[in-house]
Amino acid sequence: EVHLAESGGGLVQPGGSLRLSCAASGFTFSSYWMSWVRQAPGKGPEWVANIKHDGSDKYYADSVKGRFTISRDNAKNSLYLQMNSLRAEDTALYYCARDSLSMVGQFDYWGQGTLVTVSS
Amino acid sequence: EIVMTQSPATLSVSPGERATLSCRASQSVSSNLAWYQHKPGQAPRLLIYGASTRATGIAARFSGSGSGTEFTLTISSLQSEDFAVYYCQQYNNWLPNTFGPGTKVDIK
Repeated sequence: EVHLAESGGGLVQPGGSLRLSCAASGFTFSSYWMSWVRQAPGKGPEWVANIKHDGSDKYYADSVKGRFTISRDNAKNSLYLQMNSLRAEDTALYYCARDSLSMVGQFDYWGQGTLVTVSS
Repeated sequence: EIVMTQSPATLSVSPGERATLSCRASQSVSSNLAWYQHKPGQAPRLLIYGASTRATGIAARFSGSGSGTEFTLTISSLQSEDFAVYYCQQYNNWLPNTFGPGTKVDIK
């Protein structure tokens, strides 16, 4: 059974940093593109970043480009999101999602999310 | 960026009734459209991809239709477990792929 479990969320001050992790199990992690998707309170989901199965390509939403870095460790079946220069508008529930094998950007499994709150 | 809109924002339906949810894209996304179901505290679940293909394990009462800019999710006979928020998402232009604001289906 596919399982994605995010961790690392919390309360951080504006300008601070946080590193999110996603532990994957139940599938061959190294075969899949993976994404981070976030959802701010009262809004629809927003794609944040994705990374190719071997880590060789990475893409970011304009809203986080230059501040966030996506990475993965296929030996540990883990996905990461390093978030720097955090802003109040980054406050959201952050989900790890698996991109479908047949179409990048279509998410066939999601985790339950980890909450990031940026506030002084 | 392709903007997705959904209507209505809230749909009040009685169990056993039919629910029809709409999604519109600001430009054509071909059939690269997915629907997700999201319940509080749970992981979002993929229901439909390719505009009309049910994902693995999804009940036959869920169906999707449309192409281009207009899409519909139909739940033929609402069950108690179907009350949730439903999001459409386009991945035709996957940089960035974009979601709609959601339709909440609640009990009438």
